Amino acid sequence: GAVVSQHPSRVICKSGTSVKIECRSLDFQATTMFWYRQFPKQSLMLMATSNEGSKATYEQGVEKDKFLINHASLTLSTLTVTSAHPEDSSFYICSARDSGRATGELFFGEGSRLTVL
Amino acid sequence: AQTVTQSQPEMSVQEAETVTLSCTYDTSESNYYLFWYKQPPSRQMILVIRQEAYKQQNATENRFSVNFQKAAKSFSLKISDSQLGDTAMYFCAFSGNMLTFGGGTRLMVKP
Repeated sequence: GAVVSQHPSRVICKSGTSVKIECRSLDFQATTMFWYRQFPKQSLMLMATSNEGSKATYEQGVEKDKFLINHASLTLSTLTVTSAHPEDSSFYICSARDSGRATGELFFGEGSRLTVL
Repeated sequence: AQTVTQSQPEMSVQEAETVTLSCTYDTSESNYYLFWYKQPPSRQMILVIRQEAYKQQNATENRFSVNFQKAAKSFSLKISDSQLGDTAMYFCAFSGNMLTFGGGTRLMVKP
């Protein structure tokens, strides 16, 4: 149980285009999902907290107009990188907390590697 | 704000031996969880072990165990009988309102 699926796993796009990444909790409900960015050989950096039915909460320094987050259901959150530029190239990871558990751990998707040409 | 510090950027261990990864954290909260996550080359984050702060007993999961010192705010991970498949990045994480990660320790298990 507690599987999180992230899609696509790899995406290459041209500069100026937008890319959408989906994060789904397959066998549990997640009122809260988190989006992280990870640079090579570094730790995960929290970008934003996605709350079902309400606006996402962005960490300081993260452009909310650049990284659009939508959490329309209890099992799906999407991250859209708008007008992508090469500096947006990175590894993006989503995670979700099982609303039915009180144990605090997050379950992670497989990650999405974005390359902007 | 919570901070999590992993003071060992890289470590190596011979196969079948034991290695300990260090982690310290800072928080003013009294109820929280601590985790160790493993990130192999596939980049998938895998939960290794979990510790509830209100429990004095150290968590154990097969070859993985922790040494949780609440007063010292220390949470180290011991890997016994290291296997080649243990080669990965290991992240210590603190869970209060959000999950805060340490900088990671790259562990290499050598044959």
